[in-house]
Amino acid sequence: SQQGEEDPQALSIQEGENATMNCSYKTSINNLQWYRQNSGRGLVHLILIRSNEREKHSGRLRVTLDTSKKSSSLLITASRAADTASYFCATDPPGAGSYQLTFGKGTKLSVIP
Amino acid sequence: AAGVIQSPRHLIKEKRETATLKCYPISRHDTVYWYQQGPGQDPQFLISFYEKMQSDKGSIPDRFSAQQFSDYHSELNMSSLELGDSALYFCASSFVAGPTNTEAFFGQGTRLTVV
Repeated sequence: SQQGEEDPQALSIQEGENATMNCSYKTSINNLQWYRQNSGRGLVHLILIRSNEREKHSGRLRVTLDTSKKSSSLLITASRAADTASYFCATDPPGAGSYQLTFGKGTKLSVIP
Repeated sequence: AAGVIQSPRHLIKEKRETATLKCYPISRHDTVYWYQQGPGQDPQFLISFYEKMQSDKGSIPDRFSAQQFSDYHSELNMSSLELGDSALYFCASSFVAGPTNTEAFFGQGTRLTVV
């Protein structure tokens, strides 16, 4: 069953605006990771947030995690045309011996110059 | 530092043929994952290995098998290929630190086209 669900499925904004993408998941997690994927290309790791963390920053990226609501958000500030890509969240379950990431369906972000 | 290396980058096979995809994880990473991503789909987990032992299994068809070798590289073997196997296949690696995994880094993927 699908663990992560991204919202919205597609987002179109003007360059310079902020973009917010949300991810919801169903079961307990160890970590939640965000990835970017340009069309037909590899998955680029953006940021990892652990289940005991609430917020994390990396450059123009800000990730929040609310384990009580089983949701996370990715904020990209001052967007650029180069940010155009699909963004996925991925979760891994808690407990030693669990080695898999479950991906959501992704948000397709278009940044218009 | 070198990232996850996958080969080949592109592969075209005919139905019922066999394909082997290779993955070289980041140095000192002990966990390798394989994912399949169909057009417009999210990546689907196939199988993972921790310290050369199979650890988790996802939606991997019985026609597929994988293993991790002593040098930690991994191979995904796909037999009796079907048109529906056409997809991007990604390998990722990470380092497991106790009960908490670390970031998983992905390779550029192998695009398999079955004709």
